Amino acid sequence: EAGVTQFPSHSVIEKGQTVTLRCDPISGHDNLYWYRRVMGKEIKFLLHFVKESKQDESGMPNNRFLAERTGGTYSTLKVQPAELEDSGVYFCASSPLAGTTYEQYFGPGTRLTVT
Amino acid sequence: GQQLNQSPQSMFIQEGEDVSMNCTSSSIFNTWLWYKQDPGEGPVLLIALYKAGELTSNGRLTAQFGITRKDSFLNISASIPSDVGIYFCAGQFDFGNEKLTFGTGTRLTIIP
Repeated sequence: EAGVTQFPSHSVIEKGQTVTLRCDPISGHDNLYWYRRVMGKEIKFLLHFVKESKQDESGMPNNRFLAERTGGTYSTLKVQPAELEDSGVYFCASSPLAGTTYEQYFGPGTRLTVT
Repeated sequence: GQQLNQSPQSMFIQEGEDVSMNCTSSSIFNTWLWYKQDPGEGPVLLIALYKAGELTSNGRLTAQFGITRKDSFLNISASIPSDVGIYFCAGQFDFGNEKLTFGTGTRLTIIP
């Protein structure tokens, strides 16, 4: 079974530019989460999709961040315009809707560097 | 927001030694999870704990869910080189509020 995949693995952009990160969850997982780890700090929750609906977006830093999950499959996280403090590693995780919903499986992350 | 204090921040040990790390929270969680992150990879789930007082093992790893629901610890026995990495605790409330709150991580280094 394929795990959670994320693209790209690394992205270096200039301040003010736009970047779009993609996450493909484990097939059949209706729950999809975005997290972020800024250098040296803890991993922080950004938002949670159940299928195509946003269940919880309380962790989104500001309106420069836009997450979508059209069709309830893969998800994108767009940062526009990017600022220096957006640098960090963005993780995606997924879990099934039924059964053991507490165990979230993480992708390898996208390392974003804003210069 | 919720805060998880994880200690120690880093550990330098020799191969074969036992390791212990813990997390404490200002809030009650209904689930505690322990993850390990290798360089360039995402966190990998090691152990999940669902009941206060629960003690669960996974090979050389043992974790416990504190009675107060505000803490958890992870022990690694007889460490080996592949144990190197960053260990994170994470707390979760319940169905419908499933976001994970992570600790700051414990970096484990094995001295040759």
